Amino acid sequence: KAGVTQTPRYLIKTRGQQVTLSCSPISGHRSVSWYQQTPGQGLQFLFEYFSETQRNKGNFPGRFSGRQFSNSRSEMNVSTLELGDSALYLCASSQGNTGELFFGEGSRLTVL
Amino acid sequence: QKEVEQDPGPLSVPEGAIVSLNCTYSNSAFQYFMWYRQYSRKGPELLMYTYSSGNKEDGRFTAQVDKSSKYISLFIRDSQPSDSATYLCATAGGSYIPTFGRGTSLIVHP
Repeated sequence: KAGVTQTPRYLIKTRGQQVTLSCSPISGHRSVSWYQQTPGQGLQFLFEYFSETQRNKGNFPGRFSGRQFSNSRSEMNVSTLELGDSALYLCASSQGNTGELFFGEGSRLTVL
Repeated sequence: QKEVEQDPGPLSVPEGAIVSLNCTYSNSAFQYFMWYRQYSRKGPELLMYTYSSGNKEDGRFTAQVDKSSKYISLFIRDSQPSDSATYLCATAGGSYIPTFGRGTSLIVHP
């Protein structure tokens, strides 16, 4: 069974730009969650989508947004990038009713 | 106070040692408990998953949950250099959204 696939794996942007990250969940998983990981803050929950609807949201500004498509694939977007947005962005899929998450390798974003 | 507290380490042990990793949490509504292992430049990998209190064993790994003291542990027997990684504990409640500790860096030296 294929795991969670995230693209791109690495990207470099400059302040003020926007970025879109993509995630393909494990087949059959309806829930996709996004996390931001930094050395200082650890893993911080961004949002969760279940059956194309945002079901849970973390404490991030509105510059961070996401969506989920009918095939469960998900994208997240960060607009007006700031230096502090440099981080590893992790996508995780699950059945949606247990808390067991299966993570992708992450997209490492560097903002210059 | 963070909802899940975890000593960042690093914890350095010799090969073959028994490793004990621990976390405390503050929300008594949490009922799902997980341990993830994260190698450098990789995503976290689910190691152990338990529901409510008690012990769960899987090979060299044992997860222990004590809800009365809000304390969760992971024991690794016969530790190997390949166990060197960051170990993240996580807890979740009715929303099924895990809250993670910051991770403990483990180094197992030959």
